[in-house]
Amino acid sequence: QKEVEQNSGPLSVPEGAIASLNCTYSDRGSQSFFWYRQYSGKSPELIMFIYSNGDKEDGRFTAQLNKASQYVSLLIRDSQPSDSATYLCAVTRPGDTGNQFYFGTGTSLTVIP
Amino acid sequence: GAVVSQHPSRVICKSGTSVKIECRSLDFQATTMFWYRQFPKQSLMLMATSNEGSKATYEQGVEKDKFLINHASLTLSTLTVTSAHPEDSSFYICSARRQGHSYEQYFGPGTRLTVT
Repeated sequence: QKEVEQNSGPLSVPEGAIASLNCTYSDRGSQSFFWYRQYSGKSPELIMFIYSNGDKEDGRFTAQLNKASQYVSLLIRDSQPSDSATYLCAVTRPGDTGNQFYFGTGTSLTVIP
Repeated sequence: GAVVSQHPSRVICKSGTSVKIECRSLDFQATTMFWYRQFPKQSLMLMATSNEGSKATYEQGVEKDKFLINHASLTLSTLTVTSAHPEDSSFYICSARRQGHSYEQYFGPGTRLTVT
């Protein structure tokens, strides 16, 4: 079983719609949860992180965490063509060297103008 | 703040040669740096974790004698790919964890390595 699983997509939404990206993780010891955006040929950039159950909002982005279900999601409101990218979910758990990140394979999002 | 640079951004080398990639945290001190590799259309795979002043910890399946990591200061880590082969061609990305901020990692722009 993979540490982190994401639907690879591609996910297509029309401009202005809500994009919903989902991620599940296998280790209940996971502590912190991150969403990164990666454009083709570029390195990931941090969008949001969440540590506690519930919702966390930042502008058009909302992260949702449910530790009981081992599920974290990212909602993008008012999607824009510039949001088209691969979104990576990452989780941490205590490790020998301190909080390694485990990445999912990413979900490709296309926002259609 | 929290800017990480990598050099070079792109390198082409011949099979059998060695290549060094530098990762620098420009405006913060990084107690821990991570090295990832990403093949096309795949996710990031952690190769190793390096802590300043100590030996790197390698993930299972990563040859420590082939991928030499040095973290000599709080702002610089290097990855040397020794005796590179075409299958080592990949996108290598480093990230740095800011001292005192235990969970957040900031990624460098990546280095595209092509071995011919």
